[in-house]
Amino acid sequence: GEEVAQTPKHLVRGEGQKAKLYCAPIKGHSYVFWYQQVLKNEFKFLISFQNENVFDETGMPKERFSAKCLPNSPCSLEIQATKLEDSAVYFCASSQVGVIYGYTFGSGTRLTVV
Amino acid sequence: EDKVVQSPLSLVVHEGDTVTLNCSYEVTNFRSLLWYKQEKKAPTFLFMLTSSGIEKKSGRLSSILDKKELFSILNITATQTGDSAVYLCAVGNTGNQFYFGTGTSLTVIP
Repeated sequence: GEEVAQTPKHLVRGEGQKAKLYCAPIKGHSYVFWYQQVLKNEFKFLISFQNENVFDETGMPKERFSAKCLPNSPCSLEIQATKLEDSAVYFCASSQVGVIYGYTFGSGTRLTVV
Repeated sequence: EDKVVQSPLSLVVHEGDTVTLNCSYEVTNFRSLLWYKQEKKAPTFLFMLTSSGIEKKSGRLSSILDKKELFSILNITATQTGDSAVYLCAVGNTGNQFYFGTGTSLTVIP
């Protein structure tokens, strides 16, 4: 499709529970990016994929966060043992040619950890 | 269907030129419009606009919103090579959903 589909739109988890977010990139887009938006409209880069391979994971917290992009499946971002500070909107974007051009963002998943 | 459309898709200018980037939107229950600069890994926040007709300014950048005609413009005066980036427009609704345009790619040539 012509949109990046993120599911669910909202997710509420108790502290310590697992959270799993999904992103279906636009067909034909090779790159997928995950961002965390916490405060004041600022984005924090988490991880990017080129097809199913990790392209850049320098923004991923070393513990509790993992992500995958498997063939013929939506990409996923998983947070084990969520903490209150994980509460944020998580955006996914896809692109044909990488960082600088032709991004398409999903509408985000709002994660609330209580 | 909610959508955000940016134009032009790409732009090449010379240093010192002034550029105007456009963002039009159709978003139900509009709350805010945000501009971002994307040049490295993550978008950098520039402006948030919620009211019509009030210009926001930061150095050589300025932006204004027209809620009647459903668009915003981002102006950059006296462009520099460091302004080269993709400029993203995002519109948020009252349900805290954001809709992004696909960006305008600006290249400033020395």
